[in-house]
Amino acid sequence: DAGVIQSPRHEVTEMGQEVTLRCKPISGHNSLFWYRQTMMRGLELLIYFNNNVPIDDSGMPEDRFSAKMPNASFSTLKIQPSEPRDSAVYFCASSFLKSYEQYFGPGTRLTVT
Amino acid sequence: GENVEQHPSTLSVQEGDSAVIKCTYSDSASNYFPWYKQELGKRPQLIIDIRSNVGEKKDQRIAVTLNKTAKHFSLHITETQPEDSAVYFCAAKAISGGYNKLIFGAGTRLAVHP
Repeated sequence: DAGVIQSPRHEVTEMGQEVTLRCKPISGHNSLFWYRQTMMRGLELLIYFNNNVPIDDSGMPEDRFSAKMPNASFSTLKIQPSEPRDSAVYFCASSFLKSYEQYFGPGTRLTVT
Repeated sequence: GENVEQHPSTLSVQEGDSAVIKCTYSDSASNYFPWYKQELGKRPQLIIDIRSNVGEKKDQRIAVTLNKTAKHFSLHITETQPEDSAVYFCAAKAISGGYNKLIFGAGTRLAVHP
């Protein structure tokens, strides 16, 4: 089992640019979660999907953030336009809907200059 | 809304001592409580969890206890080793809507000194 896969692992971009983060959940898992981690705010849930359907996006900071899950094996988190305050580590996690254990990917470290 | 509070925020112990991290949760209907360990620059990793139908669970040097009446749960690490140094997060499953969302505590930075 390859675990949750995220790409890129590191992203450095300039303010105003579009950023797309990608996630492949563990095969067979049907829940997917996007988290953001910073020193100041800790681990924040941004959005999660069950069976590819967004369930709760109340953690998405603002309209600059959007997430999609077009199929069971792929999700994207997009920031457009990016700002320096978006700099953080973004984690994707997945689980079985009827189980509770969430498994995290390696994260994407985003730096917006 | 649902909330998980975690204490202490930092903990420093000598190798071989025990470490205890405590969490409280607000939703009395929560029924699943995992603990994650995050080493520097790495992902959070699930190390142990407990469900509301048990009061204690052990796995080698790690144990978790749950007091549903008081809405408290704790992580106990015995015979600490330098490799236990990390940030530990507790979490509680949110029950609202029947979904599988976790509410995380703010984390405890544990330092084990040789």
